[in-house]
Amino acid sequence: EAGVAQSPRYKIIEKRQSVAFWCNPISGHATLYWYQQILGQGPKLLIQFQNNGVVDDSQLPKDRFSAERLKGVDSTLKIQPAKLEDSAVYLCASSPPSLAGGVNEQFFGPGTRLTVL
Amino acid sequence: AQSVAQPEDQVNVAEGNPLTVKCTYSVSGNPYLFWYVQYPNRGLQFLLKYITGDNLVKGSYGFEAEFNKSQTSFHLKKPSALVSDSALYFCAVRDGNAGNMLTFGGGTRLMVKP
Repeated sequence: EAGVAQSPRYKIIEKRQSVAFWCNPISGHATLYWYQQILGQGPKLLIQFQNNGVVDDSQLPKDRFSAERLKGVDSTLKIQPAKLEDSAVYLCASSPPSLAGGVNEQFFGPGTRLTVL
Repeated sequence: AQSVAQPEDQVNVAEGNPLTVKCTYSVSGNPYLFWYVQYPNRGLQFLLKYITGDNLVKGSYGFEAEFNKSQTSFHLKKPSALVSDSALYFCAVRDGNAGNMLTFGGGTRLMVKP
């Protein structure tokens, strides 16, 4: 089966510019996640969607970050305006629906490496 | 709040020797524990998980992990390391009693030398 797709793979922008990342999850996966991975650290969850609804966005800097999953399939993460500290790899992940009592792992895309100058 | 600690930034081991990558966690409820591996310029790949049941969990590529509730640990192990195992390894925890958020440790770089 095809994996999680992300684009672009690399992006370089100047501070105060805007940028958008796109993610297409594995077909049939209801849950979609966006993570930020700063160099030398583990991924940090930014937002989690269940179909087209937001489950958890408690760690999303809402003054500059936004995300949507309008049709419950692919998703876009936007940063406006970008700051130097936003330089990181942005990972998208998805997981299938869980059976009763089950806990599924997440499947990750290759990520988008953002450099803010 | 939930947290994960990976106390070693890097682990060095010779090919053919056993390896251990350490992980300790903190959650309020029942822990769901995961190990992922990350190769250069690639996303994280799932290795194994502990949800309930047998404390010894077997996963992909010959890896296994042992859940120890009293020590709040979930160390990753492999009996015989391969050079191709060299990568970045992440432990993650989810509180089974509170939401779906997965919290990752800072990662441990495994270097297997021929």
